[in-house]
Amino acid sequence: GPKVLQIPSHQIIDMGQMVTLNCDPVSNHLYFYWYKQILGQQMEFLVNFYNGKVMEKSKLFKDQFSVERPDGSYFTLKIQPTALEDSAVYFCASSLALRENTLYFGAGTRLSVL
Amino acid sequence: GQQVQQSPASLVLQEGENAELQCNFSTSLNSMQWFYQRPEGSLVSLFYNPSGTKQSGRLTSTTVIKERRSSLHISSSQITDSGTYLCAMERNSNYQLIWGSGTKLIIKP
Repeated sequence: GPKVLQIPSHQIIDMGQMVTLNCDPVSNHLYFYWYKQILGQQMEFLVNFYNGKVMEKSKLFKDQFSVERPDGSYFTLKIQPTALEDSAVYFCASSLALRENTLYFGAGTRLSVL
Repeated sequence: GQQVQQSPASLVLQEGENAELQCNFSTSLNSMQWFYQRPEGSLVSLFYNPSGTKQSGRLTSTTVIKERRSSLHISSSQITDSGTYLCAMERNSNYQLIWGSGTKLIIKP
């Protein structure tokens, strides 16, 4: 089936540093998402993105977070600066349409902030 | 309170038994999706099921919007079915998926 690739699978950084998580979505998909899952807790929505713009974001999407997809390359989530509570698995997803459409998820990037 | 509740939280079965997983939601929704989360964390989409019944191999999903519930039935379970099953609701009001806490399924030989 369609695949979403996330790079890297695991990232360890010191608190205060910048980190960029990369996502290669399904090739013909138009909508992109980031979800966050802290170990042992529920998956939570962060942000969705379409046509170069953020459409919706949750309270978890702090000012230190930003997303972009320059020129159809990777869809990225940047955190600058990182905090201890940013440690989690970040899942990228993409879909063809916004409503009533299957989301395809990547395998996640485990971010450990020390 | 939680908008999406899954039950049971965990389920241990012998290989060959059937599994029934439930998802109840407290607000109006547009659709429901079921996912399988592998032990290492990756997610697999199982069903996009806004209403009615869908089947794929040994898996069957039934969503009844009026009763605000969705179920996932796994027949003749196999050891490789072990993992966490997540339901996620798409609300009418926005485009975010609201997730349940998951059912951890363990299939023993």
